[in-house]
Amino acid sequence: EAGVTQSPTHLIKTRGQQATLRCSPISGHTSVYWYQQALGLGLQFLLWYDEGEERNRGNFPPRFSGRQFPNYSSELNVNALELEDSALYLCASSLPGGRTDLSYTFGSGTRLTVV
Amino acid sequence: GEDVEQSLFLSVREGDSSVINCTYTDSSSTYLYWYKQEPGAGLQLLTYIFSNMDMKQDQRLTVLLNKKDKHLSLRIADTQTGDSAIYFCAEIPYGNNRLAFGKGNQVVVIP
Repeated sequence: EAGVTQSPTHLIKTRGQQATLRCSPISGHTSVYWYQQALGLGLQFLLWYDEGEERNRGNFPPRFSGRQFPNYSSELNVNALELEDSALYLCASSLPGGRTDLSYTFGSGTRLTVV
Repeated sequence: GEDVEQSLFLSVREGDSSVINCTYTDSSSTYLYWYKQEPGAGLQLLTYIFSNMDMKQDQRLTVLLNKKDKHLSLRIADTQTGDSAIYFCAEIPYGNNRLAFGKGNQVVVIP
């Protein structure tokens, strides 16, 4: 069974541009989560989608947005890129199991570099 | 991380034991997790402990949970070079469905 796949693996953008990152969850998983891992800042929660709806959002500005498609894949869009948006963006998927979930699975991430 | 705290760096000789500590905040978390991130890779669930347990042993890994102090530790016995990675503890806080991570602890194993 394929794991969580993210594309592209690397992305280089210029300040002010937009970036689109994609995530395909494990088959049967309906929840998708996005995390930002910037250098020295650990993993910061960005967004949670389930059944096509945004369920929760971390402390990020509105230029970070996304969506989830009917096949449960997801996109993360970052508008008006700033240098500090350079980070590894990790996607995870899970079953809708709530707080007792052990099905969380992470992708390998997209490395976004803003120059 | 938002709800968990970890120390940052640990250097250990191959064959020795390494211990990583973490303090979490939500006493109602059902599970507490340890994730491993190897260089250039995503996160891999290493082990977890159910909140009504004090200890869990999984081969070379021992997880200790002190609920009174909200303290979680991971002991790696006979540390090997393949254990060099960043280790994150995590919980799912009440009212959320998402994992909250500590800042991570980088473990460097010296041959």
